[in-house]
Amino acid sequence: LAKTTQPISMDSYEGQEVNITCSHNNIATNDYITWYQQFPSQGPRFIIQGYKTKVTNEVASLFIPADRKSSTLSLPRVSLSDTAVYYCLVGDSHGNNRLAFGKGNQVVVIP
Amino acid sequence: GAVVSQHPSWVICKSGTSVKIECRSLDFQATTMFWYRQFPKQSLMLMATSNEGSKATYEQGVEKDKFLINHASLTLSTLTVTSAHPEDSSFYICSAITGGQGANEQFFGPGTRLTVL
Repeated sequence: LAKTTQPISMDSYEGQEVNITCSHNNIATNDYITWYQQFPSQGPRFIIQGYKTKVTNEVASLFIPADRKSSTLSLPRVSLSDTAVYYCLVGDSHGNNRLAFGKGNQVVVIP
Repeated sequence: GAVVSQHPSWVICKSGTSVKIECRSLDFQATTMFWYRQFPKQSLMLMATSNEGSKATYEQGVEKDKFLINHASLTLSTLTVTSAHPEDSSFYICSAITGGQGANEQFFGPGTRLTVL
C-alpha cells in the first residue's frame, strides 16, 4: 500500500482558506488520491477524490501536480466546524481498493 | 450519498465474552466491505477485507480466529470479537464500496465503540 505523509497539525483562523499538503512519493499509475475528514468518535467522511490536475466540488478543491507525488487539499473560508483530522490516501481503483490511513493532519480552526 | 450503518454504536462487555458488530449498506449493494480499528489519538488501521460469499482477507498481524468476519450478503458484514480482552477495547469502523471499475469511494460507517472490562 502506498504511504502518505502529512503535517501532524495546523491551526487556522475562521474565514481563512486552508491548504493541507500530502506527500505520496510512491504513488502507482493506477492510484487515485482521496481525502477524508474525521471528527472524534465518528467514521471518516469523504471529501474529494482525484487522479491528476485539479478537482473541485462544493466543499473543497484538490490540486495534483503533473508528477502526482503530492497533493493539496484546499478548504475555502473555514469555519469552527471544520476542526477535524484530515486524511490523504492513495488507492488502486482497479485493485482490491485497500486503503492505508496515515497519521492524518489535525486542523484546528480558531475563532 | 450512500449510507453505511453499524450496530451497536457502543458496547461494554466483560472480559472473555464475544461481541458481534454489524455493518450494513443501507441503499446500495456492497461487493466489498472493510473493517478498521482505531485506538485513541491514532489513525485507522485496516484489519481485513471482506468480500461477499468468500473468506475475509486479513492484514498482517490480525488474528483471524479472534476477529471473525462474515459477509453473508451484499448488504451485511459482521465482525465478531471472540474472547474479548481489555486490550481489544477500541473504535471499530467498517466501510463499503460498490465495486466495478473506476475510482471506488469507500463509504464509512459511524463506528462502534467497544469497551472490554
